[in-house]
Amino acid sequence: QKEVEQNSGPLSVPEGAIASLNCTYSDRGSQSFFWYRQYSGKSPELIMSIYSNGDKEDGRFTAQLNKASQYVSLLIRDSQPSDSATYLCAGGDYGGSQGNLIFGKGTKLSVKP
Amino acid sequence: KAGVTQTPRYLIKTRGQQVTLSCSPISGHRSVSWYQQTPGQGLQFLFEYFSETQRNKGNFPGRFSGRQFSNSRSEMNVSTLELGDSALYLCASSPRLAGGITDTQYFGPGTRLTVL
Repeated sequence: QKEVEQNSGPLSVPEGAIASLNCTYSDRGSQSFFWYRQYSGKSPELIMSIYSNGDKEDGRFTAQLNKASQYVSLLIRDSQPSDSATYLCAGGDYGGSQGNLIFGKGTKLSVKP
Repeated sequence: KAGVTQTPRYLIKTRGQQVTLSCSPISGHRSVSWYQQTPGQGLQFLFEYFSETQRNKGNFPGRFSGRQFSNSRSEMNVSTLELGDSALYLCASSPRLAGGITDTQYFGPGTRLTVL
């Protein structure tokens, strides 16, 4: 069973701090990873995709991928109350299909003013 | 570009009925995937369509089915509804990369289905 594991939280950080979200995955064949943000009652919104080992930065967000450790993380710098949401980590299924993302159950982030 | 659209946004049905949900992908995207989201199970993959063909199917009963049309629009159908089918149904479109790597998926707003 291919799985993506996330700490459900809630993770609470003060405004302006760095929020660190982590994710591990079981499928060594996964080649693509994604972070989505989901506000309550809304659909997931893509934050970042990452395909190669190392760091990828986009504004206040940095995704990190370590395929040897099967570990993906997301750092949010200068966290804002508007970042309060559930963050979903997803891995691309490499089992012959290109259309299947395997999602973790999400980490709920709360940024306190 | 317009985003992924889904209709209807909300549905209330009773047990035993059937329902059809519709999804229009981003223009130029040929892959449409469907997911079910519930508080207990999170986001679970239902199936994916590409060029009118179902490419992959998740672990759901045969009551869940879908199809894709030549313009890439997709529908999913749930027959003989059960209480446990109450969920947010999400459609995601993707341009699809070559080479076996799952491409970025962009989600629609979802259809909230309530089964009474």
